[in-house]
Amino acid sequence: QKEVEQNSGPLSVPEGAIASLNCTYSDRGSQSFFWYRQYSGKSPELIMFIYSNGDKEDGRFTAQLNKASQYVSLLIRDSQPSDSATYLCAVTRDSSYKLIFGSGTRLLVRP
Amino acid sequence: EAGVAQSPRYKIIEKRQSVAFWCNPISGHATLYWYQQILGQGPKLLIQFQNNGVVDDSQLPKDRFSAERLKGVDSTLKIQPAKLEDSAVYLCASSLTSGSETQYFGPGTRLLVL
Repeated sequence: QKEVEQNSGPLSVPEGAIASLNCTYSDRGSQSFFWYRQYSGKSPELIMFIYSNGDKEDGRFTAQLNKASQYVSLLIRDSQPSDSATYLCAVTRDSSYKLIFGSGTRLLVRP
Repeated sequence: EAGVAQSPRYKIIEKRQSVAFWCNPISGHATLYWYQQILGQGPKLLIQFQNNGVVDDSQLPKDRFSAERLKGVDSTLKIQPAKLEDSAVYLCASSLTSGSETQYFGPGTRLLVL
């Protein structure tokens, strides 16, 4: 079992819709949870991170964390074609911020 | 603010050859990371430095990979000898400290081993 699991996709949504990206993790001791965006041929860039159960909003992005279910998600409202990318979920087990990445979900936003 | 610099951007070598990658982190960033990203996978941490000391190298294949950050600034990652399965993008990232949430990634070095 991989430590961080993501559906590889592609997830295809129409422009303006809400895109929902999901991630599960196996280590109950995981402390911090990150979402990175990676455009094709580019390096990952941090979208947001979350530590506590519940929702965290930043502009069009909302991260949701449920530690009991070991589940973290990213919602993208009003999706734009420029949001088309691979979204990487990452977790850390301790305060060292050693990131453990999932394989990513490819998102396609159709104009 | 200048970002993380890496060179070369691309490298093609034959198996059993050696190769070295260079990384210059953001100025003032104490923590430096090297990741390996194989096509279709997420990045995997190879080694983490705090200043010029190694914090974590548990996933570095030490029989063929080595890394150093002698003066606590720039870093080199070396592979000797290379194998076909080393074909990947090698990403360098830096953060202000090991306790910083945000890691800034460089553009990466794309390695192809033939």
